[in-house]
Amino acid sequence: ENVLTQSPAIMSASPGEKVTMTCRASSSVSSSYLHWYQQKSGASPKLWIYSTSNLASGVPARFSGSGSGTSYSLTISSVEAEDAATYYCQQYSGYPYTFGGGTKLEIK
Amino acid sequence: QVQLKQSGPGLVQPSQSLSITCTVSGFSLTSYGVHWVRQSPGKGLEWLGVIWSGGSTDYNAAFISRLSISKDNSKSQVFFKMNSLQANDTAIYYCARKGGSSYLYAMDYWGQGTSVTVSS
Repeated sequence: ENVLTQSPAIMSASPGEKVTMTCRASSSVSSSYLHWYQQKSGASPKLWIYSTSNLASGVPARFSGSGSGTSYSLTISSVEAEDAATYYCQQYSGYPYTFGGGTKLEIK
Repeated sequence: QVQLKQSGPGLVQPSQSLSITCTVSGFSLTSYGVHWVRQSPGKGLEWLGVIWSGGSTDYNAAFISRLSISKDNSKSQVFFKMNSLQANDTAIYYCARKGGSSYLYAMDYWGQGTSVTVSS
Protein backbone atom coordinates (compact mmCIF):
# COMPACT_ATOMS: atom_id res chain seq x y z
CA GLU A 1 0.00 0.00 0.00
CA ASN A 2 1.33 3.41 -0.93
CA VAL A 3 1.08 5.54 2.20
CA LEU A 4 0.62 9.29 1.78
CA THR A 5 1.88 11.57 4.55
CA GLN A 6 0.71 15.16 4.58
CA SER A 7 2.39 18.01 6.42
CA PRO A 8 1.72 20.02 8.33
CA ALA A 9 -1.39 18.49 9.85
CA ILE A 10 -2.68 21.94 10.78
CA MET A 11 -1.59 25.34 9.57
CA SER A 12 -2.74 28.85 10.18
CA ALA A 13 -2.38 31.77 7.79
CA SER A 14 -3.49 35.37 7.52
CA PRO A 15 -5.36 36.63 4.47
CA GLY A 16 -2.92 37.49 1.72
CA GLU A 17 -0.23 35.09 2.88
CA LYS A 18 1.29 32.45 0.64
CA VAL A 19 0.96 28.91 1.96
CA THR A 20 2.33 25.56 0.86
CA MET A 21 1.38 22.10 2.07
CA THR A 22 3.08 18.87 1.12
CA CYS A 23 2.17 15.28 0.40
CA ARG A 24 4.84 12.60 0.48
CA ALA A 25 4.34 9.07 -0.82
CA SER A 26 6.03 5.94 0.46
CA SER A 27 6.49 4.81 -3.15
CA SER A 28 6.69 6.74 -6.37
CA VAL A 29 3.43 7.94 -7.90
CA SER A 30 2.89 9.01 -11.47
CA SER A 31 2.15 12.72 -11.49
CA SER A 32 -0.92 11.92 -13.58
CA TYR A 33 -2.38 9.95 -10.70
CA LEU A 34 -1.87 12.37 -7.81
CA HIS A 35 -4.90 14.51 -6.92
CA TRP A 36 -6.02 16.95 -4.25
CA TYR A 37 -9.42 17.42 -2.64
CA GLN A 38 -10.86 20.23 -0.55
CA GLN A 39 -13.26 19.41 2.24
CA LYS A 40 -15.06 22.01 4.30
CA SER A 41 -16.60 21.19 7.65
CA GLY A 42 -19.73 19.08 7.32
CA ALA A 43 -19.41 18.75 3.53
CA SER A 44 -18.22 16.08 1.13
CA PRO A 45 -14.76 16.29 -0.43
CA LYS A 46 -14.48 18.17 -3.72
CA LEU A 47 -11.94 17.42 -6.41
CA TRP A 48 -9.66 20.45 -6.33
CA ILE A 49 -6.50 19.75 -8.29
CA TYR A 50 -6.09 16.75 -10.58
CA SER A 51 -3.01 15.15 -12.04
CA THR A 52 -0.69 17.19 -9.82
CA SER A 53 -1.20 20.61 -11.32
CA ASN A 54 -4.56 20.95 -13.11
CA LEU A 55 -7.23 22.99 -11.39
CA ALA A 56 -10.69 21.46 -11.30
CA SER A 57 -13.57 23.50 -12.62
CA GLY A 58 -14.25 26.60 -10.57
CA VAL A 59 -11.05 26.49 -8.54
CA PRO A 60 -9.47 29.93 -8.18
CA ALA A 61 -6.20 30.58 -9.97
CA ARG A 62 -4.46 31.38 -6.67
CA PHE A 63 -4.22 27.61 -6.18
CA SER A 64 -1.46 25.63 -7.82
CA GLY A 65 0.05 22.18 -7.53
CA SER A 66 3.40 20.70 -8.34
CA GLY A 67 5.61 17.72 -7.70
CA SER A 68 6.82 14.41 -8.97
CA GLY A 69 7.85 10.99 -7.76
CA THR A 70 7.25 10.86 -4.03
CA SER A 71 6.89 14.55 -3.23
CA TYR A 72 3.97 16.80 -4.11
CA SER A 73 2.70 20.16 -2.94
CA LEU A 74 -0.30 22.43 -3.04
CA THR A 75 0.29 26.18 -2.88
CA ILE A 76 -2.09 29.07 -2.37
CA SER A 77 -0.47 32.28 -3.56
CA SER A 78 -2.62 34.62 -1.50
CA VAL A 79 -4.89 32.98 1.03
CA GLU A 80 -8.49 34.12 1.37
CA ALA A 81 -10.99 33.42 4.13
CA GLU A 82 -12.95 31.05 1.90
CA ASP A 83 -9.91 28.76 1.62
CA ALA A 84 -10.36 27.54 5.20
CA ALA A 85 -10.76 23.79 4.78
CA THR A 86 -8.94 20.49 4.99
CA TYR A 87 -6.99 19.45 1.93
CA TYR A 88 -6.34 15.79 1.11
CA CYS A 89 -4.03 14.26 -1.45
CA GLN A 90 -4.99 10.97 -3.12
CA GLN A 91 -3.04 8.62 -5.33
CA TYR A 92 -3.37 5.61 -7.52
CA SER A 93 -0.31 3.45 -8.13
CA GLY A 94 -2.10 0.15 -7.92
CA TYR A 95 -4.76 -0.94 -5.45
CA PRO A 96 -5.75 0.30 -3.01
CA TYR A 97 -6.27 3.94 -3.80
CA THR A 98 -5.01 5.86 -0.79
CA PHE A 99 -5.50 9.28 0.75
CA GLY A 100 -3.26 11.38 2.92
CA GLY A 101 -4.27 12.31 6.45
CA GLY A 102 -5.08 15.87 5.43
CA THR A 103 -3.83 19.38 6.10
CA LYS A 104 -6.26 21.61 7.91
CA LEU A 105 -5.89 25.24 6.89
CA GLU A 106 -7.13 27.81 9.36
CA ILE A 107 -7.44 31.50 8.53
CA LYS A 108 -6.42 34.00 11.20
CA GLN B 1 -26.13 18.42 -13.50
CA VAL B 2 -24.24 15.51 -12.01
CA GLN B 3 -25.62 14.34 -8.67
CA LEU B 4 -25.13 11.34 -6.43
CA LYS B 5 -27.72 10.90 -3.70
CA GLN B 6 -27.23 8.36 -0.98
CA SER B 7 -29.80 6.60 1.12
CA GLY B 8 -29.24 4.20 3.96
CA PRO B 9 -29.54 3.70 7.70
CA GLY B 10 -27.73 5.78 10.25
CA LEU B 11 -27.56 3.08 12.92
CA VAL B 12 -26.42 -0.50 12.50
CA GLN B 13 -26.22 -3.17 15.19
CA PRO B 14 -22.83 -4.84 15.76
CA SER B 15 -22.34 -7.91 13.55
CA GLN B 16 -25.14 -6.78 11.24
CA SER B 17 -24.80 -5.59 7.67
CA LEU B 18 -24.86 -2.12 6.16
CA SER B 19 -26.65 -1.39 2.88
CA ILE B 20 -26.48 1.97 1.13
CA THR B 21 -27.96 2.95 -2.22
CA CYS B 22 -26.35 5.63 -4.36
CA THR B 23 -28.78 7.02 -6.94
CA VAL B 24 -27.10 9.02 -9.67
CA SER B 25 -28.35 11.58 -12.16
CA GLY B 26 -26.78 13.65 -14.88
CA PHE B 27 -24.70 10.76 -16.18
CA SER B 28 -25.01 7.10 -17.05
CA LEU B 29 -23.62 4.22 -15.04
CA THR B 30 -22.82 2.55 -18.35
CA SER B 31 -20.22 5.26 -18.94
CA TYR B 32 -18.80 5.95 -15.48
CA GLY B 33 -17.59 3.91 -12.56
CA VAL B 34 -18.58 4.63 -8.96
CA HIS B 35 -16.25 4.40 -5.97
CA TRP B 36 -17.04 3.95 -2.31
CA VAL B 37 -14.97 5.76 0.30
CA ARG B 38 -15.44 6.09 4.02
CA GLN B 39 -14.21 8.69 6.48
CA SER B 40 -13.66 8.16 10.18
CA PRO B 41 -11.82 10.22 12.77
CA GLY B 42 -9.40 7.40 13.42
CA LYS B 43 -8.49 6.36 9.88
CA GLY B 44 -9.30 9.38 7.73
CA LEU B 45 -10.41 8.70 4.17
CA GLU B 46 -10.33 5.03 3.16
CA TRP B 47 -11.04 3.70 -0.29
CA LEU B 48 -13.33 0.68 -0.10
CA GLY B 49 -14.00 -0.36 -3.66
CA VAL B 50 -15.29 0.52 -7.10
CA ILE B 51 -17.76 -0.76 -9.65
CA TRP B 52 -16.73 0.02 -13.19
CA SER B 53 -18.99 1.02 -16.04
CA GLY B 54 -18.90 -2.51 -17.43
CA GLY B 55 -20.00 -3.96 -14.09
CA SER B 56 -16.73 -5.43 -12.85
CA THR B 57 -15.58 -4.58 -9.35
CA ASP B 58 -12.35 -4.02 -7.45
CA TYR B 59 -12.13 -4.00 -3.70
CA ASN B 60 -9.69 -2.92 -1.05
CA ALA B 61 -8.12 -6.20 0.09
CA ALA B 62 -8.79 -5.22 3.70
CA PHE B 63 -12.53 -5.42 3.07
CA ILE B 64 -12.84 -7.95 0.28
CA SER B 65 -14.28 -10.70 2.46
CA ARG B 66 -17.23 -8.64 3.64
CA LEU B 67 -17.89 -6.08 0.92
CA SER B 68 -20.13 -6.24 -2.13
CA ILE B 69 -20.87 -3.55 -4.71
CA SER B 70 -23.46 -3.97 -7.46
CA LYS B 71 -25.62 -1.77 -9.64
CA ASP B 72 -28.76 -1.45 -11.71
CA ASN B 73 -27.98 0.64 -14.76
CA SER B 74 -31.62 1.05 -15.72
CA LYS B 75 -32.43 2.58 -12.34
CA SER B 76 -29.17 4.55 -12.12
CA GLN B 77 -28.49 2.97 -8.77
CA VAL B 78 -25.37 1.55 -7.17
CA PHE B 79 -25.69 -0.74 -4.18
CA PHE B 80 -23.14 -1.01 -1.37
CA LYS B 81 -23.25 -3.79 1.18
CA MET B 82 -20.79 -4.46 3.99
CA ASN B 83 -21.22 -7.38 6.38
CA SER B 84 -20.25 -8.03 9.97
CA LEU B 85 -19.95 -4.43 11.06
CA GLN B 86 -18.15 -3.56 14.26
CA ALA B 87 -17.73 -0.34 16.22
CA ASN B 88 -14.64 0.63 14.24
CA ASP B 89 -16.74 0.67 11.08
CA THR B 90 -18.49 3.75 12.40
CA ALA B 91 -17.86 6.36 9.71
CA ILE B 92 -19.33 8.53 6.99
CA TYR B 93 -19.69 6.48 3.82
CA TYR B 94 -19.51 8.20 0.44
CA CYS B 95 -20.13 7.19 -3.13
CA ALA B 96 -18.11 9.11 -5.68
CA ARG B 97 -17.99 9.12 -9.44
CA LYS B 98 -14.85 7.99 -11.21
CA GLY B 99 -13.57 11.04 -13.02
CA GLY B 100 -13.86 11.43 -16.75
CA SER B 101 -11.01 10.68 -19.09
CA SER B 102 -9.12 13.81 -18.06
CA TYR B 103 -9.26 12.97 -14.37
CA LEU B 104 -7.10 9.87 -14.25
CA TYR B 105 -8.05 7.78 -11.23
CA ALA B 106 -9.64 10.79 -9.51
CA MET B 107 -13.14 11.09 -8.10
CA ASP B 108 -14.85 14.10 -9.56
CA TYR B 109 -18.29 14.16 -7.91
CA TRP B 110 -19.25 12.91 -4.47
CA GLY B 111 -22.47 11.99 -2.76
CA GLN B 112 -23.60 13.77 0.36
CA GLY B 113 -22.38 10.98 2.61
CA THR B 114 -24.19 8.57 4.90
CA SER B 115 -23.25 8.81 8.55
CA VAL B 116 -23.26 5.32 10.02
CA THR B 117 -22.94 4.47 13.69
CA VAL B 118 -22.40 0.87 14.74
CA SER B 119 -23.89 0.42 18.16
CA SER B 120 -26.36 -1.70 20.06
